[in-house]
Amino acid sequence: EPEVTQTPSHQVTQMGQEVILRCVPISNHLYFYWYRQILGQKVEFLVSFYNNEISEKSEIFDDQFSVERPDGSNFTLKIRSTKLEDSAMYFCASSFLLAGGPGGELFFGEGSRLTVL
Amino acid sequence: DAKTTQPNSMESNEEEPVHLPCNHSTISGTDYIHWYRQLPSQGPEYVIHGLTSNVNNRMASLAIAEDRKSSTLILHRATLRDAAVYYCILRDGGAQKLVFGQGTRLTINP
Repeated sequence: EPEVTQTPSHQVTQMGQEVILRCVPISNHLYFYWYRQILGQKVEFLVSFYNNEISEKSEIFDDQFSVERPDGSNFTLKIRSTKLEDSAMYFCASSFLLAGGPGGELFFGEGSRLTVL
Repeated sequence: DAKTTQPNSMESNEEEPVHLPCNHSTISGTDYIHWYRQLPSQGPEYVIHGLTSNVNNRMASLAIAEDRKSSTLILHRATLRDAAVYYCILRDGGAQKLVFGQGTRLTINP
């Protein structure tokens, strides 16, 4: 069964460093998303991406964050200058059609755990 | 975002049916009702979705009230592997996202 894969599974970084989290969505999917989950809290939406541009973003997704689909298969989340509060599990997801409608089931990866020291 | 209300937690026994309720009294006519679950230490997983009619798939059944203001996710025969947080989610018409609430933490007793 096709799946969303994420790397790295765990990254430890120093505050102020840049981090790139990588995702390979399911190959025929058209919509891509990043979510995060701080330990013990709910899953929070960060950004959705379609047709090579951001289609929606949350208040969390400020100028420190960026997303890119550099080569037609990878989907990356970059955090320019990490803060302690960026420590969380980051989930990538993809869907064939727009989330929430028919054919819009989200498929999530296993997550990348980011620890900022 | 359209709002849903779910109990914080529920408990059931292995091999028994589980009915997980969700209230969504402000649902609009075009909102699909989605259920996802998150097993411990994993990403969320799609379970089922529906619009008006009851739906069945290999994982669960979704019973939707006639007025669509509530729905129930039914696990017909719970196993220990079904212990997870279950999320009932509506997407607002033009939104490009699904928003997860707190969900219901389901505990299955052996």
